[in-house]
Amino acid sequence: DIQMTQSPSTLSTSVGVKVTITCRASQSIDTWLAWYQQRPGKAPELLMHKASILENGVPSRFSGSGSGTEFTLTISSLQPDDFAVYYCQQYDVYPYTFGQGTKLEI
Amino acid sequence: QVQLVQSGTEVKRPGASVKISCKASGYTFSNYYIHWLRQAPGQGLEWLGLINPNDLTTTYAQSLQGRVTMTSDMSTSTVYMDLSSLKSDDTALYYCARDWGYGFEYWGQGTLVTVSS
Repeated sequence: DIQMTQSPSTLSTSVGVKVTITCRASQSIDTWLAWYQQRPGKAPELLMHKASILENGVPSRFSGSGSGTEFTLTISSLQPDDFAVYYCQQYDVYPYTFGQGTKLEI
Repeated sequence: QVQLVQSGTEVKRPGASVKISCKASGYTFSNYYIHWLRQAPGQGLEWLGLINPNDLTTTYAQSLQGRVTMTSDMSTSTVYMDLSSLKSDDTALYYCARDWGYGFEYWGQGTLVTVSS
């Protein structure tokens, strides 16, 4: 199975700050990577696919990059609505696997 | 609009089975795979498997092999997941999700399954 490792696990930060979350795959997945945001009590929401393609309606302050084994999710200026848990997921091969999550907290 | 509506909360004894449903609407049911995932309390996301409603082929997570069965009913646009020999470790929020080939774009609301004696 492909292991996905996110860092950090928790990030204490503030509104307006730029944050970067890293996701590493245990083997190359090209750009077959998705990012999700999960707010408390809600199902995850797809933020972007193919490592960097934003879904419709996702604010442009979100961006993604990377290929192969190393990926990043960047939020250019944190907004109150962004405090949530973020997961990366590889969909290159089954079983699909997720990172353990990164919690953004105030 | 696309919707995935799951069945309600379940409480089961260890060793029992549970069957969760996921009713799809707002799109052509046969055109998209449906996956099942779960999230234990306070934990991350675990992929459980998928079903292709078009030909009923399935792929399951190795960790659940032999205990999970996913089925689909084209007449009602509903997918089911049956999990047997339940253990306390199976206590989780179970989600169905539609796969468009680039991730899970639509999710059900989740079904809480609690396994407790």
